[in-house]
Amino acid sequence: GDSVTQMEGPVTLSEEAFLTINCTYTATGYPSLFWYVQYPGEGLQLLLKATKADDKGSNKGFEATYRKETTSFHLEKGSVQVSDSAVYFCALSDLGGGSEKLVFGKGTKLTVNP
Amino acid sequence: GAGVSQTPSNKVTEKGKYVELRCDPISGHTALYWYRQSLGQGPEFLIYFQGTGAADDSGLPNDRFFAVRPEGSVSTLKIQRTERGDSAVYLCASSLSGTGMGYTFGSGTRLTVV
Repeated sequence: GDSVTQMEGPVTLSEEAFLTINCTYTATGYPSLFWYVQYPGEGLQLLLKATKADDKGSNKGFEATYRKETTSFHLEKGSVQVSDSAVYFCALSDLGGGSEKLVFGKGTKLTVNP
Repeated sequence: GAGVSQTPSNKVTEKGKYVELRCDPISGHTALYWYRQSLGQGPEFLIYFQGTGAADDSGLPNDRFFAVRPEGSVSTLKIQRTERGDSAVYLCASSLSGTGMGYTFGSGTRLTVV
């Protein structure tokens, strides 16, 4: 079945450091790819998405590019802030399977220190 | 409403008891999803409603779990004969169906079975 593997955390960075969180996927169809973020004490929020190969999703300075050849969707940010501290989840949705369910990775906890 | 509302936010119950968890989706969203998030894990799909009907219930772990959405809006997740392993955060999400563009999640119900 479909699956998502993401870099295990926790990840600790200093403010203004460069961030990469790796995500790779396995899917039988042609999935849409997502990054969700969960800030402390809050619910899951959609951070960015991409629906086809070579699409780049971006939001709040974060970017991720849908790479079909490497089945990857790595999350990057050039300069992290303390407010980016959260848990980040990579996910896929394979509409070809008839259901819009999301398959999530295990999450990566990011802590950014001042 | 403005967002997806879940009640209660916290529920503590004794092993063997019956519980109901409620989800009030965004007005007009025809698709509704339930997920379960165990500690340190990503959310796992339980069931997906399109309108009043369960379009995909492949994620329900066993017949102790059941969900309804009788009028195509509010949904209730029902767990019979609760077990300690059912302890988790139960998440509800809603979307405009057919877009595959990501959902809006509620803040979840934290269920603790003692």
